[in-house]
Amino acid sequence: ILNVEQSPQSLHVQEGDSTNFTCSFPSSNFYALHWYRWETAKSPEALFVMTLNGDEKKKGRISATLNTKEGYSYLYIKGSQPEDSATYLCAFLYNQGGKLIFGQGTELSVKP
Amino acid sequence: GEEVAQTPKHLVRGEGQKAKLYCAPIKGHSYVFWYQQVLKNEFKFLISFQNENVFDETGMPKERFSAKCLPNSPCSLEIQATKLEDSAVYFCASSQSRLQFFGPGTRLTVL
Repeated sequence: ILNVEQSPQSLHVQEGDSTNFTCSFPSSNFYALHWYRWETAKSPEALFVMTLNGDEKKKGRISATLNTKEGYSYLYIKGSQPEDSATYLCAFLYNQGGKLIFGQGTELSVKP
Repeated sequence: GEEVAQTPKHLVRGEGQKAKLYCAPIKGHSYVFWYQQVLKNEFKFLISFQNENVFDETGMPKERFSAKCLPNSPCSLEIQATKLEDSAVYFCASSQSRLQFFGPGTRLTVL
């Protein structure tokens, strides 16, 4: 059974705080790891697709790292803003065209 | 199109009625996926297609759920004789390689 775990489940921060979340996944049969930002009633928005061990990707104030050997990825948000409030989902992919196996998500709330 | 489109946005059915959901993938994407979100943040895989062929159906409840992706038509997910526990948001996604692009979902409420 392939298990993807995310922590923490929820996070409440003040505007301007930097924050990070963890996603752990199986270290065998790795193909790719996705990070999505999701607000209820909207489409999950792809942030990153990560494939190589040691990968580091950045999009504005958000960045992610990947360690496929130990099976974890970190998502960082620098200087959180209220508009960053959302659920951040990671999803594991073990073959091309295969199904995504999602973690339970981290719900981020940023207070002004 | 450039986005995955799903219709309808909301669907309400009485228990035992049929429900049919539609998905138009991004043009040029050969893979289509259906996911069911029942519990908060829990996305459960149902079925995937490579073009019009079923690629993986390991998540499909076999008795009442069926799905198709026919050429030149939106893909569809059909639930015969809906049950209360089928109430969920059903997301469709399409992909050409690694990245899956999601539609906005169809919220199905079974009363």
